[in-house]
Amino acid sequence: DTGVSQDPRHKITKRGQNVTFRCDPISEHNRLYWYRQTLGQGPEFLTYFQNEAQLEKSRLLSDRFSAERPKGSFSTLEIQRTEQGDSAMYLCASSLSIAGGNNEQFFGPGTRLTVL
Amino acid sequence: SQQGEEDPQALSIQEGENATMNCSYKTSINNLQWYRQNSGRGLVHLILIRSNEREKHSGRLRVTLDTSKKSSSLLITASRAADTASYFCATDARETSGSRLTFGEGTQLTVNP
Repeated sequence: DTGVSQDPRHKITKRGQNVTFRCDPISEHNRLYWYRQTLGQGPEFLTYFQNEAQLEKSRLLSDRFSAERPKGSFSTLEIQRTEQGDSAMYLCASSLSIAGGNNEQFFGPGTRLTVL
Repeated sequence: SQQGEEDPQALSIQEGENATMNCSYKTSINNLQWYRQNSGRGLVHLILIRSNEREKHSGRLRVTLDTSKKSSSLLITASRAADTASYFCATDARETSGSRLTFGEGTQLTVNP
């Protein structure tokens, strides 16, 4: 399967615990994005990387959230001291950024986080 | 806050009928994209229309874009039960070109067999 993959698909945790999600983008894609989606809403942008550089962070990304893409390939999203309000689907997407390109993003299946 | 808004929020039709969903947005865009999401799954890219295009077709899909009204519509012709899903429009804004997509809240389409 050459699409975007995410792991785990589901995570249940207790409030106050830390969680880490992983995203593997399409191999030739240089951009990687994280979005969060709550029930009945559209995805909301969190952050994105071009290669290993984190170029933009949304104000939704509080200081409890950190994302990395150390080698410009896979990325991790960590949430520290989880709160019930963090319960959501976390979506990863990737794209190939080229001059004149369309920013067409390909999404993974998401990680569903439930904070008890 | 979400820039895009889809209308209607929910649509229920019979198999074989056409489904039309609308999307409005607020800023200047490079392009507008439509995605489909089956319940609890990731998003699947359907079609992209650039700001200098007015209409685009892909199979049973037809997308229009009116940049003067900052609106787009997605038409699915001859709908099938398998088209049941949520549909989102997403804009690639000129000021943030190549980075974030801004999604609407989606239209939940139900196609009854």
